[in-house]
Amino acid sequence: AQSVTQLGSHVSVSEGALVLLRCNYSSSVPPYLFWYVQYPNQGLQLLLKYTSAATLVKGINGFEAEFKKSETSFHLTKPSAHMSDAAEYFCAVSDNSGGGADGLTFGKGTHLIIQP
Amino acid sequence: SQTIHQWPATLVQPVGSPLSLECTVEGTSNPNLYWYRQAAGRGLQLLFYSVGIGQISSEVPQNLSASRPQDRQFILSSKKLLLSDSGFYLCAWSTSGYNEQFFGPGTRLTVL
Repeated sequence: AQSVTQLGSHVSVSEGALVLLRCNYSSSVPPYLFWYVQYPNQGLQLLLKYTSAATLVKGINGFEAEFKKSETSFHLTKPSAHMSDAAEYFCAVSDNSGGGADGLTFGKGTHLIIQP
Repeated sequence: SQTIHQWPATLVQPVGSPLSLECTVEGTSNPNLYWYRQAAGRGLQLLFYSVGIGQISSEVPQNLSASRPQDRQFILSSKKLLLSDSGFYLCAWSTSGYNEQFFGPGTRLTVL
């Protein structure tokens, strides 16, 4: 069974600073990995996904994530934070063996706070 | 392109009243469908998923039920709401169990 750990339920950065949100996964097979963003009172929006192609994945809104198999990590970064990046971020993993119809396993989320 | 709709957007219901939340998907066929709940300040809890019409799997025992009467329609119901049913309910679809999920806008349910 797969699992996801997001380190830090809250992360605070200054506007213009680097954003780093951490995600570690556990999976018995090569995983698919995802990052989602959720703004208040809205659904989740897919930021980016890793599906065993390039290990550095670029997403929307200037975010990117790097798959590191040796570290079982998929951290999300953005070089320069903007006030509009303040939101909840979820990391998710799936087992691409096709046996699990119950879909993705989500982390508990990280609330990103941007300080002016 | 595919779109997913949920309604109502907000709902305030008394304890003991029934519930029906609806989710519909457009632009795709035979999607996997999911219902999640987010309690205040918490992550996502998978409630139900469905791989086809009439096929419902429940992830946690609870006061809720789900149905899929049509290929792209997913309904969440309760006969008698509890205070603990309050939360933000999200519907999602995917092409398979391991691909990305696409989420609806959510329904904010408050049980008083």
